[in-house]
Amino acid sequence: ELKVEQNPLFLSMQEGKNYTIYCNYSTTSDRLYWYRQDPGKSLESLFVLLSNGAVKQEGRLMASLDTKARLSTLHITAAVHDLSATYFCAESPYGQNFVFGPGTRLSVLP
Amino acid sequence: NAGVTQTPKFRVLKTGQSMTLLCAQDMNHEYMYWYRQDPGMGLRLIHYSVGEGTTAKGEVPDGYNVSRLKKQNFLLGLESAAPSQTSVYFCASSSQVAPQHFGDGTRLSIL
Repeated sequence: ELKVEQNPLFLSMQEGKNYTIYCNYSTTSDRLYWYRQDPGKSLESLFVLLSNGAVKQEGRLMASLDTKARLSTLHITAAVHDLSATYFCAESPYGQNFVFGPGTRLSVLP
Repeated sequence: NAGVTQTPKFRVLKTGQSMTLLCAQDMNHEYMYWYRQDPGMGLRLIHYSVGEGTTAKGEVPDGYNVSRLKKQNFLLGLESAAPSQTSVYFCASSSQVAPQHFGDGTRLSIL
């Protein structure tokens, strides 16, 4: 069964703090995607990770991929309120369909 | 740039009625997808298409049908709507490897 797990599912953190969201997936896929969704809105692509050891950074967010461990991480550095959203990871095991994780709802408090 | 456009944005149906959701993309993408998102949950794939004239089942295809007669359009049909199909429906498109581009969603309520 194809399955993508994320933890934590809910995260409340203070501004200025660092934290990591974990994404475990079930296949040997080497493609992993991160998306952001604001309440009531659509999904926005953040990162595409296409090989083992890939690391991408954009502002206060950094994503990495370890295909051997079937693990991707999304690291938040010095969080700010604008990062409050739900973050999804998704794998594309066959290069055609996508399997999404349940999402991590992040709240950054002042 | 339009990107991915979903029509309609909101709809209320009665149980047993039928309707079609339209998704149009102007990025010449080969792949198109229909998802549903229920409160507090991730996205679940209903059907997808890897090219004009082709469709495939996703994780939750029952009660839905799709067609991709033109490359830019992907239609999702509900033949006999049920309350369990109340959800937000997202269409997305992509080219190989690239991330998906999502539409704004269709909020569907079935009474």
